[in-house]
Amino acid sequence: GENVEQHPSTLSVQEGDSAVIKCTYSDSASNYFPWYKQELGKGPQLIIDIRSNVGEKKDQRIAVTLNKTAKHFSLHITETQPEDSAVYFCAAHDSWGKLQFGAGTQVVVTP
Amino acid sequence: ETGVTQSPTHLIKTRGQQVTLRCSSQSGHNTVSWYQQALGQGPQFIFQYYREEENGRGNFPPRFSGLQFPNYSSELNVNALELDDSALYLCASRMTGDNEQFFGPGTRLTVL
Repeated sequence: GENVEQHPSTLSVQEGDSAVIKCTYSDSASNYFPWYKQELGKGPQLIIDIRSNVGEKKDQRIAVTLNKTAKHFSLHITETQPEDSAVYFCAAHDSWGKLQFGAGTQVVVTP
Repeated sequence: ETGVTQSPTHLIKTRGQQVTLRCSSQSGHNTVSWYQQALGQGPQFIFQYYREEENGRGNFPPRFSGLQFPNYSSELNVNALELDDSALYLCASRMTGDNEQFFGPGTRLTVL
């Protein structure tokens, strides 16, 4: 089955700096890669996603890149703000239609 | 448009008991998935329901079972609770054919 690895597990950045989270996946049949943001006491919130026929997607301060050959994808957050502090999860939609999640990255943005 | 809702918010049970968690899918969504999220970890897929039938299951024992109703709402039942079942249980819904899954706030289950 699909296996998703996510790095780093924690990330501290100064407000205004950029944050990058990287994930790798194992199942070459996976074709959809969402990113979720989870705040304390809440469910995961979909923030951006990318499909396997696209290499890059951007939405304001958030961008995601996908390298199908290397089986890795990354989340980039620019101009970070304190409200970006949360746990971020990458996921891969496997050939059976279920999401396999990474272990998460705790992002802390300090003013 | 109403998002995914779950009840109850919190629940405390003792080992060996049974529990039922409930989920109402987002308006127009006909596929519901359940995930277990242990503290400090990513969500783990339990199973998925479409047209009132289970059509995908993760690595969870049979004491985890579910139902989907004609209005697409769903239940997760766990029998013979174990301490390791303590977790946040998340429900997610989507339209079949769409990839985007939207999560509810979760039910925090504590097993003592």
